Amino acid sequence: QSALTQPASVSGSPGQSITISCTGTSSDVGGYKYVSWYQQHPGKAPKLIIYDVSEWPSGVSNRFSGSKSGNTASLTISGLQAEDEADYYCCSYAGSSTFVFGGGTKVTVL
Amino acid sequence: QVQLQESGPGLVKPSETLSLTCVVSGYSISRGYYWGWMRQPPGKGLDWIGSIYHGGTTSYNPSLKSRVTISVDTSKNQISLNLSSVTAADTAVYYCARLGSGSTNFDYWGQGTLVTVSS
Repeated sequence: QSALTQPASVSGSPGQSITISCTGTSSDVGGYKYVSWYQQHPGKAPKLIIYDVSEWPSGVSNRFSGSKSGNTASLTISGLQAEDEADYYCCSYAGSSTFVFGGGTKVTVL
Repeated sequence: QVQLQESGPGLVKPSETLSLTCVVSGYSISRGYYWGWMRQPPGKGLDWIGSIYHGGTTSYNPSLKSRVTISVDTSKNQISLNLSSVTAADTAVYYCARLGSGSTNFDYWGQGTLVTVSS
C-alpha cells in the first residue's frame, strides 16, 4: 500500500484556477469512485472538501471541484483566493476497508 | 454537531506502548458509523492507521498492523488507539475522525494530539 502521488507544490494568482493531481493504481484510485480531498491550514486539522471523487460536503464552496480519469484523480480550485493557501491531501479507498493518502500538495497564492 | 477530542501522553519512551483515546460528543457511537485514526509526522503528510466500526470490526494499515490495536467503548462514547514498540519514527500528531457518508471519507476530525517518542 504505497502513498498516492501528488505534486509537492502548486501556485497561482488570485482569481486563477489551479489543478492538483493525485495518482494511484488500479487497486485504489482507479478501482473505486471513493477519492476524497482534504484542506489543511497550518496547525489545524484536515477539513473534508470533496468526497466520492466529485461530491461536496455541506457548506463547502463550489469553487472546489473533483474529477477522476483512470488511476489519476484531480482537484481544481477555481477563482483562487488568499484563504485557499493551504496543504491539500487526496485519499482513496483501497479495498478491504483500508485507505491510502497522498503525500500532500502545498498551494501558494501569489 | 459532532466533535472529537483526542487525549493521551505527549511523551512516550522508545519500545513502550503509545495509548490514546478519542472522546466523541454530539453523536452516539453505538448508532453506527466507522471511526478512524490517522497520524501526521512533523512536516510530513497524513497516514491512515486504522478504522473501527461500533460493533468492533477493525481494519488496519498493513505497515502498522502488527503493532496496532483500535478498540471502541460505547459506554464511554470513545475509541482508543494502542501502538506498541514505538520508535522515534512514530512521533506525530495523531488524529481521530469519523468516516462519513458511505464510509468512504473522513468528515469530522479531532484537533489532533502531538505524541513525541523520546527517552
